[in-house]
Amino acid sequence: RKEVEQDPGPFNVPEGATVAFNCTYSNSASQSFFWYRQDCRKEPKLLMSVYSSGNEDGRFTAQLNRASQYISLLIRDSKLSDSATYLCVVNQAGTALIFGKGTTLSVSS
Amino acid sequence: DAGVIQSPRHEVTEMGQEVTLRCKPISGHDYLFWYRQTMMRGLELLIYFNNNVPIDDSGMPEDRFSAKMPNASFSTLKIQPSEPRDSAVYFCASSQSKQGSGNQPQHFGDGTRLSIL
Repeated sequence: RKEVEQDPGPFNVPEGATVAFNCTYSNSASQSFFWYRQDCRKEPKLLMSVYSSGNEDGRFTAQLNRASQYISLLIRDSKLSDSATYLCVVNQAGTALIFGKGTTLSVSS
Repeated sequence: DAGVIQSPRHEVTEMGQEVTLRCKPISGHDYLFWYRQTMMRGLELLIYFNNNVPIDDSGMPEDRFSAKMPNASFSTLKIQPSEPRDSAVYFCASSQSKQGSGNQPQHFGDGTRLSIL
């Protein structure tokens, strides 16, 4: 079983749609969780951290369910500029980041 | 502010040749990471350094790969001899702390697109 698993997509949605991505992780000792965004032929960039109580940043909402070892990212009112690959990332204390393979989102007009 | 700087941006070479990838981390960052990204395997950590010392090289695929960090502002990843299956995008990233002990993000360079013919 892979350490971090994501549905690769692609998710094809119209502008204004709400879309949700899910991610599961295998190591229950994981302590920190993040979503990174990667544009085509570009480097990954931190989108947001994921906190146990859930957190929101504008149109983006991240949720964590430790019992189910499940992380989600919700994007409301999708924009064309949201088209990218979204990487789920976890790590344990004392280790480096483990990246999922990413979920590709395509927003069309 | 200058970000993580990698060179070259693109490298095309024949199998068997030595390849050297270079990275300059963000000044003040004490962690440096080398990753490899392919469609099949996604983003994989190869090795990381803390204060110029290699901490975990378990991701280095085999002895053909080596990495050094002679000082706080420079690191190299070397492949010798190179093989076609080494073709990938290689990213260098740096951070002020190992992400997880605090929410310090890893900053990635633009990557080196390596093609081994």
